[in-house]
Amino acid sequence: QVQLVQSGAEVKKPGASVKVSCKASGYTFTSYFMHWVRQAPGQGLEWMGIINPSGGSTSYAQEFQGRVTMTRDTSTNSVYMELSSLRSEDTAVYYCARDRSTGTTLDAFDVWGQGTMVTVSS
Amino acid sequence: DIQMTQSPSSLSASVGDRVIITCRASQSISNYLNWYQQKPGKAPNLLIFAASSLQSGVPSRFSGSGSGTDFTLTISSLQPEDFATYYCQESYSTPPTFGQGTKLEIK
Repeated sequence: QVQLVQSGAEVKKPGASVKVSCKASGYTFTSYFMHWVRQAPGQGLEWMGIINPSGGSTSYAQEFQGRVTMTRDTSTNSVYMELSSLRSEDTAVYYCARDRSTGTTLDAFDVWGQGTMVTVSS
Repeated sequence: DIQMTQSPSSLSASVGDRVIITCRASQSISNYLNWYQQKPGKAPNLLIFAASSLQSGVPSRFSGSGSGTDFTLTISSLQPEDFATYYCQESYSTPPTFGQGTKLEIK
């Protein structure tokens, strides 16, 4: 079945970086764009960016420009999201989510990872 | 960025009730509107895409309508498993934005 499995919870100090992985299975990895969305405790959903697993091109939300890097590894069907210069406000659950359509960059998000809790605390 | 505003922010209802949640966009987004359900500690789950298309596996008591700036999600007869938080999301332009959520609670 189609699924996305993310890496485990992380605890980081302010100023550090975190790298979250998302492994896809059950479908052709390079055919669907992948998004990253985060959710702070008790808050709503915030889009961070998108990666094309085929060519590796990316587009990031303005808020994260310069701090986020999304990459992919087609040999393992995995995408990665690295966030640097962490601050307490980055404490959140981070999700990868597959774009529903092939051939477009933006549609609904039809498959989600289970989420990765990142806690930033001194 | 397009602003998405949901109403109400919270709602109390009983099993069997018909519930309507609304979502308004700050500009016209045609039918590029999606709805998600999220239960505590879980990832969001896609219910409706393109304003009115039911995602595979989603019960038919869920329906969506609207176009332009005003949209609705309707649950025709609430079931116990439907008590959750619901989010709308526009996929008209980058960045895609979400509403603030509607928490549906048991009365």
